[in-house]
Amino acid sequence: QSALTQPPSASGSPGQSVTISCTGTSSDIGSYKYVSWYQQHPGKVPKLMIYEVHERPSGVPDRFSGSKSGNTASLTVSGLQAEDEADYYCASYGGTYNVFGTGTKVTVL
Amino acid sequence: EVQLVESGGGLVQPGGSLRLSCSVSEFTFSTYWMTWVRQAPGKGLEWVAKINEDGSEKYYVDSVKGRFTISRDNAGNSMSLQMNSLRAEDAAVYYCVRGRRNYRHWGQGTLVTVSS
Repeated sequence: QSALTQPPSASGSPGQSVTISCTGTSSDIGSYKYVSWYQQHPGKVPKLMIYEVHERPSGVPDRFSGSKSGNTASLTVSGLQAEDEADYYCASYGGTYNVFGTGTKVTVL
Repeated sequence: EVQLVESGGGLVQPGGSLRLSCSVSEFTFSTYWMTWVRQAPGKGLEWVAKINEDGSEKYYVDSVKGRFTISRDNAGNSMSLQMNSLRAEDAAVYYCVRGRRNYRHWGQGTLVTVSS
């Protein structure tokens, strides 16, 4: 049940792309397709951005995309916009447990 | 619109107990797994516990096993988290969340403060 590992920070200029990695284990990310990503602005409730590795809920821009390889998942934000500046958390299903990532602060330069 | 409303947070002394509740509406509660997620001040999200549709399966993060109990009342459209032997590290905003594998719907959270 250790937290998934994410880089503490990432940044990019408007219009650029940023990719956030999320490393787990063979018991969670490596075993299931149930990786999700959440965006959280300061003082706000987390918002689901990606589920089942790469699926987007309705209303989430297609600038957000997800992928997975082995025990590592990734979130890519293309065409960065000012409103994308936020904390991002990955999460994985692990059967009898679920686990979140350590979080990544994305800064739009 | 799906609604989840937490209540029951507050200030409690170390070693004390608190019971959080989550009242839901606008969806068929009895057909969904439910989850508690917490976030300590200035920290990241932490999964706490989940319960299946009829309450027969319950799972917890290791740090709360034996101290916290998740339960639900499908007739009353509510979920609870009984928290005993509270520690300083349990202080957080506790979110009621719908789902088992991913979380589209969240409550606004209720703040639990553990301090003497």
